[in-house]
Amino acid sequence: SQTIHQWPATLVQPVGSPLSLECTVEGTSNPNLYWYRQAAGRGLQLLFYSVGIGQISSEVPQNLSASRPQDRQFILSSKKLLLSDSGFYLCAWRLAGKPDTQYFGPGTRLTVL
Amino acid sequence: KQEVTQIPAALSVPEGENLVLNCSFTDSAIYNLQWFRQDPGKGLTSLLLIQSSQREQTSGRLNASLDKSSGRSTLYIAASQPGDSATYLCAVLSGGYQKVTFGTGTKLQVIP
Repeated sequence: SQTIHQWPATLVQPVGSPLSLECTVEGTSNPNLYWYRQAAGRGLQLLFYSVGIGQISSEVPQNLSASRPQDRQFILSSKKLLLSDSGFYLCAWRLAGKPDTQYFGPGTRLTVL
Repeated sequence: KQEVTQIPAALSVPEGENLVLNCSFTDSAIYNLQWFRQDPGKGLTSLLLIQSSQREQTSGRLNASLDKSSGRSTLYIAASQPGDSATYLCAVLSGGYQKVTFGTGTKLQVIP
């Protein structure tokens, strides 16, 4: 069966510090991978998606970047965090090329102080 | 640009009631629509997936319908229970299987 992991689960960082969130998927190959952010009181915002290694599409211009160094690894990064980067970050995967179910990880709660 | 709206934003009902959550989307060119549940501080759990060619899906006490031409979906919950309390999100898949657009959610509280 497939599983999706995210870490860390929670993170408190000062403004201006770097960020690295990691997401890995097990039990499938060549998945489509997604990063979402859920800010307090707001809906889920798609940040990045990837259809393959090294292939990243950005949905929203921002202070963040994403990378996919391996087939089942998706990383969200920032060089300098802003207060507005606080939120709940969710990674998700779906089978490539199919309008199939999207599966979500447990999320990372990021607080920027 | 696809936009997804959910009404109502919040709902409080006594235990045992049947209820309907609504989801509307602006672009009917979708591949599927998915309903999720999110508990506070947790990730999303998939409830039902309706392909664009389907009209409804059922799982236990949940029934989701899709009217693609009018850009609407409903999630029907029968005989609600306190454990159903959560935020319910709908999401549509479009744009070459890549773009998923979420609604803003309906926060449901079932009172014992």
